[in-house]
Amino acid sequence: GAVVSQHPSRVICKSGTSVKIECRSLDFQATTMFWYRQFPKQSLMLMATSNEGSKATYEQGVEKDKFLINHASLTLSTLTVTSAHPEDSSFYICSASDWASPTYNEQFFGPGTRLTVL
Amino acid sequence: AQSVTQLGSHVSVSEGALVLLRCNYSSSVPPYLFWYVQYPNQGLQLLLKYTSAATLVKGINGFEAEFKKSETSFHLTKPSAHMSDAAEYFCAVRGGDFGNEKLTFGTGTRLTIIP
Repeated sequence: GAVVSQHPSRVICKSGTSVKIECRSLDFQATTMFWYRQFPKQSLMLMATSNEGSKATYEQGVEKDKFLINHASLTLSTLTVTSAHPEDSSFYICSASDWASPTYNEQFFGPGTRLTVL
Repeated sequence: AQSVTQLGSHVSVSEGALVLLRCNYSSSVPPYLFWYVQYPNQGLQLLLKYTSAATLVKGINGFEAEFKKSETSFHLTKPSAHMSDAAEYFCAVRGGDFGNEKLTFGTGTRLTIIP
């Protein structure tokens, strides 16, 4: 149980275009979802936290108009990178948790999406 | 506020030898602590977690960790390394109460296994 999927796993786009990444909880309801960014050989940096039906809470330094997060249902959150530029190239990982479950204190991670902006 | 320090960005051990990955934490509230493993181009897999129950926590793949409050440590160990243990390992901390669910990750330790 507690499986999180991401789609796509890899995307290449041209500079200036927008890219949408989906994060789905497959077998549980995700009351909270998290989006992380990981540069090569570095740790995960939290970008934003989203609760279903609410606006996302962004970490300091993360541009909310550039990284649009939508958490419209208990099983789906999307991250849209708008007007992507090469410096946005990174590995994006989502995670999900369910406050109503016995594993409320745990985040379940998706497999990640590799974004390359040319 | 909370933080995690992982000592040693790279650790190499021989196959069959003891694995010890170090993690020290700082937290203003009783912490929940986690160890995750990441293989190349993959997400994170939970190895084990401490949530204020037993201080010695056993996880998957033969790993275990001991919570030592006096030393603010949560080091990860495995008695005998296997080639498949080669990966990146992350220690993470979060506040233990509801509404404070953000995870703070350490910088990671790359474990290499020498045949």
